[in-house]
Amino acid sequence: DTAVSQTPKYLVTQMGNDKSIKCEQNLGHDTMYWYKQDSKKFLKIMFSYNNKELIINETVPNRFSPKSPDKAHLNLHINSLELGDSAVYFCASSQPGLPRETQYFGPGTRLLVL
Amino acid sequence: DQQVKQNSPSLSVQEGRISILNCDYTNSMFDYFLWYKKYPAEGPTFLISISSIKDKNEDGRFTVFLNKSAKHLSLHIVPSQPGDSAVYFCAAIAGGTSYGKLTFGQGTILTVHP
Repeated sequence: DTAVSQTPKYLVTQMGNDKSIKCEQNLGHDTMYWYKQDSKKFLKIMFSYNNKELIINETVPNRFSPKSPDKAHLNLHINSLELGDSAVYFCASSQPGLPRETQYFGPGTRLLVL
Repeated sequence: DQQVKQNSPSLSVQEGRISILNCDYTNSMFDYFLWYKKYPAEGPTFLISISSIKDKNEDGRFTVFLNKSAKHLSLHIVPSQPGDSAVYFCAAIAGGTSYGKLTFGQGTILTVHP
């Protein structure tokens, strides 16, 4: 049973469109994250939620809006997609009390904006 | 400004030999360091970590060494196995940072030849 799952795995879309990526974790963790892996391969944190509350919000365009309907889900909505949004987006989760900062990652969503 | 750097994009090693992956950091506030391993089309998975109060941590074939004065850490894999072929990411977190704000390096591709 997959611990952290993301849908879709691949997403090809046109510039200007709005799209959403969904993430679910069945580990019972309180904290969830969105990361972006750009063309230079760096994994950079975008957002973090703890118990549905936004706690990390890095310098991300406000076209990106995370939503956490419950602590097992963290979705990412992107408005007015741009070419530079093409990347792999990873969702992750963690739990305080585990070995510190051990984060469990989903398989990634490969977004291509044409 | 990348605070965690892995300057070797790739490393090729013969099966049974030692693999040494390196990582440098610039932020003196980092007090906990992690290594993640990533296979193609999967998310990163936690491998091993080390606190800044230690200079070595060992887990089976994997050992992480930390040199705080040089702001350098390394991951040793002995003996290397073909299944170790993957991308290895170094990550760090600053003391006092809550909820897992990890800073990642850009990864090193390890290839272990049979």
